[in-house]
Amino acid sequence: GAVVSQHPSWVICKSGTSVKIECRSLDFQATTMFWYRQFPKQSLMLMATSNEGSKATYEQGVEKDKFLINHASLTLSTLTVTSAHPEDSSFYICSARGGRAEAFFGQGTRLTVV
Amino acid sequence: AQSVAQPEDQVNVAEGNPLTVKCTYSVSGNPYLFWYVQYPNRGLQFLLKYITGDNLVKGSYGFEAEFNKSQTSFHLKKPSALVSDSALYFCAVRGYVTGNTPLVFGKGTRLSVIA
Repeated sequence: GAVVSQHPSWVICKSGTSVKIECRSLDFQATTMFWYRQFPKQSLMLMATSNEGSKATYEQGVEKDKFLINHASLTLSTLTVTSAHPEDSSFYICSARGGRAEAFFGQGTRLTVV
Repeated sequence: AQSVAQPEDQVNVAEGNPLTVKCTYSVSGNPYLFWYVQYPNRGLQFLLKYITGDNLVKGSYGFEAEFNKSQTSFHLKKPSALVSDSALYFCAVRGYVTGNTPLVFGKGTRLSVIA
């Protein structure tokens, strides 16, 4: 299957700082990328959908000024958590889709805000 | 609206026995159905999909799933479970195919295969 690389795998940051998470499709062009958040023992919650070169579409209840998403190329999308707080601590997962029906997922990023 | 139900939070099965993880869906139009597996602190791995054609779909690691339109189900199955199959399994659906349409996931079913 297609490969999606997400970096970093885990990050610890201080409250009030910003953290950037990268999602790359390594062997296909991702016309659409999705960002999810997963709480312990729960399913994936869709945060936003982004298309290359366009502004991301955020789900209801997700603060677009706090979770900045950029999809500047067909192989790279980034999620920046701005002014992070402990309640932002979570597991963030990106997903990318190109010409196939299925989406492929990154390895996830464990964010801990202290 | 699209939705997916995985009625079991946990499924326990002995190694070597057949396993079934249940999934039912609700969608307008023809469904695109998927199964993914997640290991601890990892992203999701694609197992298989149903788009059209044969109702029995074969996927990775010996898994298969049967699409049943009348029962709106897409249960995941494997004839002989392995301890290494222990993980969290997600069923997902898309109601129509456009690039922007995200997957809708079930809540997940934790599979535990006991040696």
